[in-house]
Amino acid sequence: SAVISQKPSRDICQRGTSLTIQCQVDSQVTMMFWYRQQPGQSLTLIATANQGSEATYESGFVIDKFPISRPNLTFSTLTVSNMSPEDSSIYLCSGGGGWNTEAFFGQGTRLTVV
Amino acid sequence: KNQVEQSPQSLIILEGKNCTLQCNYTVSPFSNLRWYKQDTGRGPVSLTIMTFSENTKSNGRYTATLDADTKQSSLHITASQLSDSASYICVVSSNTGFQKLVFGTGTRLLVSP
Repeated sequence: SAVISQKPSRDICQRGTSLTIQCQVDSQVTMMFWYRQQPGQSLTLIATANQGSEATYESGFVIDKFPISRPNLTFSTLTVSNMSPEDSSIYLCSGGGGWNTEAFFGQGTRLTVV
Repeated sequence: KNQVEQSPQSLIILEGKNCTLQCNYTVSPFSNLRWYKQDTGRGPVSLTIMTFSENTKSNGRYTATLDADTKQSSLHITASQLSDSASYICVVSSNTGFQKLVFGTGTRLLVSP
């Protein structure tokens, strides 16, 4: 199994600022993903973080708003840029999960934009 | 449209009782079905992964069933404990490319003493 450390665990940010969330996996994983979870809602995939190339974004999410880095097979960052109150949510990173294998999740970052 | 629907939305049971959570999906092509437990303020933790050929899979007091013909799954919790209070999320993996995960909205379970 893999352990995913995500930080910060929570933050309160001013609108118009940016926050970078870090995700560290204790072993190499081919696939890493970033999700958003609104209170009481399901997880929504933001993007797939590709090692050594640009992330693949889902419909409704763009690189300018959610730039992602994946410099190696154990680390990724998600930046929430130019934040507004609508960005208040829980952001989760995930590793693994391909082809009937386990998908592991970080503990999430609870973001509040004021 | 690929969807995963869960019922009930929420459930309250007494400690020691059993309960069953339901999951219906329309994801195609199907690869596998997963059940996750998510404690408040934490990330989801995997309970089971079931492929097309598996009908039943157990993990301690958790037993998942899968009927790939009717596209239904259930998660049965036996002899519930207070620590079972959490959200339980059904996730279906689509067999396209890297296997995109489609998440249900979850069932929020409260085990009462």
